[in-house]
Amino acid sequence: GESVGLHLPTLSVQEGDNSIINCAYSNSASDYFIWYKQESGKGPQFIIDIRSNMDKRQGQRVTVLLNKTVKHLSLQIAATQPGDSAVYFCAEKVGQGAQKLVFGQGTRLTINP
Amino acid sequence: EAGVTQSPTHLIKTRGQQATLRCSPISGHTSVYWYQQALGLGLQFLLWYDEGEERNRGNFPPRFSGRQFPNYSSELNVNALELEDSALYLCASSLVAIDTQYFGPGTRLTVL
Repeated sequence: GESVGLHLPTLSVQEGDNSIINCAYSNSASDYFIWYKQESGKGPQFIIDIRSNMDKRQGQRVTVLLNKTVKHLSLQIAATQPGDSAVYFCAEKVGQGAQKLVFGQGTRLTINP
Repeated sequence: EAGVTQSPTHLIKTRGQQATLRCSPISGHTSVYWYQQALGLGLQFLLWYDEGEERNRGNFPPRFSGRQFPNYSSELNVNALELEDSALYLCASSLVAIDTQYFGPGTRLTVL
């Protein structure tokens, strides 16, 4: 069935270090993936996306890597800051034209001062 | 540019009542999506509306319904509320045929 899972539910890193959040997906036909950041009491905020015809995409301080062979997605955050503390969700678009996103359970990232 | 807005912020109902949640998409966006986020869980897809039509539906009972108005805003209705309907209900919007969905702040529904 459809599922997008995360390897770790929580991650703690020191301020200034790099963070890597991992995500596994099960639908090999999925062609679009998104990472969202959700702070407490707020809706998910779009961070970065990637299509299946790419294996890497970079944004400001963030990089998404896609490994279609093992159906794995990761989000790398460089030089983490206190404001990066949040729950991070990966999402996978399933179904041609269905516009349905399947979300993972989320990873809580905590930045230690 | 204003983002997706939702109202009310919080809603408290009792079992058996009906709840109506509202969403206004980003200007120019025609697709609206509804998701349920129960406490401590991920987001579950509820409904997708585009151009006033329901295009896709998640695995939720028929008492979850909605509609999209000519101005592309949307309503989510939940009838015969149950305790397990307590959750954060999130609305997202996108340009038609564009994949990126942008979320509103959500409506926190509490069923007592």
